[in-house]
Amino acid sequence: DSGVTQTPKHLITATGQRVTLRCSPRSGDLSVYWYQQSLDQGLQFLIQYYNGEERAKGNILERFSAQQFPDLHSELNLSSLELGDSALYFCASSARESSYNSPLHFGNGTRLTVT
Amino acid sequence: AQSVTQLGSHVSVSEGALVLLRCNYSSSVPPYLFWYVQYPNQGLQLLLKYTSAATLVKGINGFEAEFKKSETSFHLTKPSAHMSDAAEYFCAVSPSGGGADGLTFGKGTHLIIQP
Repeated sequence: DSGVTQTPKHLITATGQRVTLRCSPRSGDLSVYWYQQSLDQGLQFLIQYYNGEERAKGNILERFSAQQFPDLHSELNLSSLELGDSALYFCASSARESSYNSPLHFGNGTRLTVT
Repeated sequence: AQSVTQLGSHVSVSEGALVLLRCNYSSSVPPYLFWYVQYPNQGLQLLLKYTSAATLVKGINGFEAEFKKSETSFHLTKPSAHMSDAAEYFCAVSPSGGGADGLTFGKGTHLIIQP
């Protein structure tokens, strides 16, 4: 058990809808990362927050947004969903700002299916 | 931009045989390299990371990786495969090498262990 909790485990929704994925980091971790894993694109970095502030951005679409709250949990919001957004979304946390200085601990992911 | 390429989307070895998973990196600066493992229905778990202090890096579960600058490689090996090693393995590079960032992952190699 990594200590990172993601909810829900599965999500099925229709095109055009909006969903919110939630992540609770390991106790004491200040950084939260979001990744998207799909068969064709592999594991893609979306965005990182550190202690409530956005720190790094990857291949995140404008339809997607995220935030980290004062209690350090994070939410990833996906709107105007398309079939291609179907994927496994991972949250990872680490103690420090850099992924080098402290390892990432991954949750078990949220599987999103857009129909 | 830094990137990693994993050669072979699937590798099959017999139980007790040598495991060799290949990873080549592209980087204009000294890279920070990692290997992660993903077991079925789980998130990723750090196996080992390259620290630049030693070219041969030992990780968990008997795995090790050797950094070869001349070959721009960071291949993962294990002398004797066990059935429990069956999983997806990802090589990753840290883009900024110390600052806020999200790891860039390879496409992954699915390791199959034959009894």
